[in-house]
Amino acid sequence: EAGVAQSPRYKIIEKRQSVAFWCNPISGHATLYWYQQILGQGPKLLIQFQNNGVVDDSQLPKDRFSAERLKGVDSTLKIQPAKLEDSAVYLCASSPPGQGLGEQYFGPGTRLTVT
Amino acid sequence: DAKTTQPTSMDCAEGRAANLPCNHSTISGNEYVYWYRQIHSQGPQYIIHGLKNNETNEMASLIITEDRKSSTLILPHATLRDTAVYYCIDYRYGNKLVFGAGTILRVKS
Repeated sequence: EAGVAQSPRYKIIEKRQSVAFWCNPISGHATLYWYQQILGQGPKLLIQFQNNGVVDDSQLPKDRFSAERLKGVDSTLKIQPAKLEDSAVYLCASSPPGQGLGEQYFGPGTRLTVT
Repeated sequence: DAKTTQPTSMDCAEGRAANLPCNHSTISGNEYVYWYRQIHSQGPQYIIHGLKNNETNEMASLIITEDRKSSTLILPHATLRDTAVYYCIDYRYGNKLVFGAGTILRVKS
């Protein structure tokens, strides 16, 4: 079974530029998550999708971050404009149905450096 | 913020059992104990979860005290590949996973 795919793996941009990350969840997983992980900390949930609808985006900085999940499969997370404090690893995860959403499968992440 | 508390780091000799503690001082009756680990440069990996009873799977064993205020994740024969950050989480179905800083486990040869 293929895992959660993310691209790119690494990205370096200057502040005020924009960037987009892509995620392809495990086939059949209706729930998709985006997390931000700052160095030395645990992952923090940014947004949760159920199919193509948003379930929780309470911790998404909506003035600069946006995410979409068209057709309920792939998802894109965008930052525009980026700030220095956005430097982090951005993780995508998905959950199988019937597991109560506690068992999540994570991708390898995208390491973003904002200079 | 994370509700659990864990030691910052631990060392374990290769081939020995690694026992990772976690305190769940504010866990409620409908919250499960979940454990994840994160190997360097990878995303977190689900290990095991439980409610009241001890649990075992191919990766680890989970011991939960009777009052549910603490748990221990046991890796019975740690290998160098078990070096990772281990997270324990109080989780209620339908809520989000809240990760703390976790315990850095170093397995040494």
